[in-house]
Amino acid sequence: AQTVTQSQPEMSVQEAETVTLSCTYDTSESDYYLFWYKQPPSRQMILVIRQEAYKQQNATENRFSVNFQKAAKSFSLKISDSQLGDAAMYFCAYRSAEGNSGYALNFGKGTSLLVTP
Amino acid sequence: DTEVTQTPKHLVMGMTNKKSLKCEQHMGHRAMYWYKQKAKKPPELMFVYSYEKLSINESVPSRFSPECPNSSLLNLHLHALQPEDSALYLCASSPADSNYGYTFGSGTRLTVV
Repeated sequence: AQTVTQSQPEMSVQEAETVTLSCTYDTSESDYYLFWYKQPPSRQMILVIRQEAYKQQNATENRFSVNFQKAAKSFSLKISDSQLGDAAMYFCAYRSAEGNSGYALNFGKGTSLLVTP
Repeated sequence: DTEVTQTPKHLVMGMTNKKSLKCEQHMGHRAMYWYKQKAKKPPELMFVYSYEKLSINESVPSRFSPECPNSSLLNLHLHALQPEDSALYLCASSPADSNYGYTFGSGTRLTVV
């Protein structure tokens, strides 16, 4: 089974600064998908960014970008120009590309991000 | 419509009650999911429906009974729950054959008394 590890239970960043959240995963598969989800206190899980394992180019969505290192099985999230609204729990997630897993997501334990003015 | 709608948002039930959680989406997604989330923990997969058929049941106790009446609707029937079943129950959907992530609903906060 694939495991996803987020080693930072909590992180703090000042408004307008940059922060990087870490994620590593363990898999024997060569094709898979990786995601970062944000869960604010409103509790809805929001997709922040996704990465396809067979694409070497790192995904970018506005202020959010990833550093995907396939050989190292690392998938970190960089948030630039942090805003107060970025405060939330961030989950890293893995999804196999093989259909026999039913497209289930494996989540890491999450990183709670605090943004200070 | 790009939303997954869950009702009710909050539910308090006794251990002898029978209740149902409802999830609805109109995005044409053919995979739907139930997750259970305890406070400050990641979501845990309970059930996966693909093309209205149950494809994954993660050894969930029988007091939780899922149902997928059609491609837009997913229910979770609850009966004889325990206080430890109190949690946030999240529904999600996705295209069945796609690499896109899920769209989640905002969840039902369940309290069992």
